[in-house]
This record gives sequence, C-alpha cells and structure tokens, in this order.
Amino acid sequence: NAGVMQNPRHLVRRRGQEARLRCSPMKGHSHVYWYRQLPEEGLKFMVYLQKENIIDESGMPKERFSAEFPKEGPSILRIQQVVRGDSAAYFCASSPVQETQYFGPGTRLLVL
Amino acid sequence: AQTVTQSQPEMSVQEAETVTLSCTYDTSESDYYLFWYKQPPSRQMILVIRQEAYKQQNATENRFSVNFQKAAKSFSLKISDSQLGDAAMYFCAHRTNAGKSTFGDGTTLTVKP
Repeated sequence: NAGVMQNPRHLVRRRGQEARLRCSPMKGHSHVYWYRQLPEEGLKFMVYLQKENIIDESGMPKERFSAEFPKEGPSILRIQQVVRGDSAAYFCASSPVQETQYFGPGTRLLVL
Repeated sequence: AQTVTQSQPEMSVQEAETVTLSCTYDTSESDYYLFWYKQPPSRQMILVIRQEAYKQQNATENRFSVNFQKAAKSFSLKISDSQLGDAAMYFCAHRTNAGKSTFGDGTTLTVKP
C-alpha cells in the first residue's frame, strides 16, 4: 500500500503565475487535509476535504487559494497569482474516516 | 479554537539517555486526539505516537511513551535509550473529532554521541 503521494516535490514559480499542487491519498482513504509550513514553524491547517466536498476551509486564505478533491483523481491545491509570501512547504495528509492522518512528503514551493 | 504550545524550542540528549519533550494544549472539546510527529531533515512528517483523549492509559510505542494529563492539558513525550536517528524536529498536535489538527511550533532534538 503506497503512502500519500504528492507532486511535484519541488515547484518554482515567478510572481503572478499559478501553482498547482497534487495529492494522491493512501488507498482506501477518503479524507484529505492540506497544511502549510513556513520555515522554522509548525504546520498550519488550511483545508479538509472529502470526495467532492470541502468540509472545513477555515485555514485557507480568502483569495487566490482553492482546493478540490474530485470523485476521480488526486486532490488539487491551487494558488493563483503567487506572491513571495506563498513560498513554503505544503503538506497533504490523508486518513480513513476521521482517524490518524498520514502525511505525504510535501511540495516545496519557491516563488521568485 | 485549539492551541498547542511547545515551550522548548531546542533540546539535547546524550545517546542512550532519556529525554522528555513538553507539550500543553488548550481545547474546548471533550473528545479529541493527540499526536507526536517527527520531522527529520528530509521534512517528511512521521507519526511517532497517538493518544485518544478518552483513554486514561498512556500510549507507548517501543522507546516512545507519553505522559497524558488530561486535566492539566499536558501531553509530554518521553524518548528512552535515545539514538542518533532520533535527532529531528518533533511536533505535538491536537486533532478534533471533526478532523481539524492544530500543531505546535516544534522542538528541535539533538542527540549527542
């Protein structure tokens, strides 16, 4: 059973471009969570999704950020018109029902 | 809202010795979960140990154990017989039944040979 997969592992964007981060949960997991980690800080909750539904997006910035978890395919975290402050590591986690979350390796986003 | 506080930004331990990492939290929930995660330089988040709040017995996982004091909202991690591979940043986390997790700012553990 493969773990949580995230791609790309590293992403470089220029200011104003769009960033798309993908997360494939572990097999059998229907719950996906996205977190952001700034350097030297802990993980900050962004959004919690189930298939085709956003359950809790209280940690998502109101503008430029969106997330989806379609019926088929990976979960996508989308950042439009990136700014330097978006540079961070973005982690995805998945869980079966509402149990222990297992983390992916993260995507390191660098905005130039 | 939940908060998690790790009051020790850095800790060090001699190889084979025991170290305890502190964590306190604040929550209005009566039922929740607590976790310790390890983040080595690779930055992969690795689950170390988990505790259900309704269980009075402290969780144990090989050399890792917790001291869960629900009334005091304290959840410390004890690492026995420390190994060089234990060196990492350790994060304490609180998760509600609704699935939302709150993390502390982490403790960097150094293991001295």
